[in-house]
Amino acid sequence: DTEVTQTPKHLVMGMTNKKSLKCEQHMGHRAMYWYKQKAKKPPELMFVYSYEKLSINESVPSRFSPECPNSSLLNLHLHALQPEDSALYLCASSQDLGRGTTEAFFGQGTRLTVV
Amino acid sequence: GQNIDQPTEMTATEGAIVQINCTYQTSGFNGLFWYQQHAGEAPTFLSYNVLDGLEEKGRFSSFLSRSKGYSYLLLKELQMKDSASYLCAVKDSNYQLIWGAGTKLIIKP
Repeated sequence: DTEVTQTPKHLVMGMTNKKSLKCEQHMGHRAMYWYKQKAKKPPELMFVYSYEKLSINESVPSRFSPECPNSSLLNLHLHALQPEDSALYLCASSQDLGRGTTEAFFGQGTRLTVV
Repeated sequence: GQNIDQPTEMTATEGAIVQINCTYQTSGFNGLFWYQQHAGEAPTFLSYNVLDGLEEKGRFSSFLSRSKGYSYLLLKELQMKDSASYLCAVKDSNYQLIWGAGTKLIIKP
C-alpha cells in the first residue's frame, strides 16, 4: 500500500464556515506534510509533523490549524478562510525527515474553493 | 536565498527525446528529486539523485552534478501521456524540500 488518501476531493466553503481536511496513510511513515498549491505554481509547504509532533510551521495564518491524532492520520482544520485561500491542498508523507531517498508520497489533494 | 530554476514550458514530439534542466542554489544539499504532476493531480515521484552521475529508470533518466548545481531529467520515446509538469526539488540542509516552479511539457503528435 503506497497510498496517501485525502478527503474530501472537492470542498466549497463560505468565509464563516468551519471545515476539516483529512489525510491518511498506512505505510508506517513518521513524517507527514501539508502543502498548498496554486495553479501553475509549485507546492508551498505549510506544516510538517514528525513522529506526531509539529516540526515545522511555515508562518501559516491561524485560520489553518493542523492536527495529528496518530501516526496514520493528519487533519487540517479550516476556519474563517478568505477567497485567496482557494487552492489545491496536498497531504504528503515520507519515512522520516532525515537522510536518504525518503521521497514524499502525495495524496490526490483537496480542491478547496472559498466563496 | 534559495533558488531553483527550470524552464517554464517545453514542447516535444511524440517518440522523441526531451531534456528538462534544473539549476539550484540552496543552503546545503541532501538530494534532488524529480516529480511529475498532471494537471489537477498530485505530484508523483520519478527519481532521486544524491551522488553525481546518471540514474536510469526505464524511459526516464536523471543526472546530477553537485559541483555545478545542475540536474536534468531525460525522457525518451515520448508518449502523449508524458504531457505534464515536471518539478525539480532539492532537499536542503534542514531536510526541507525546496521546489522549482515546474516545467510544463507539451507533447505533440
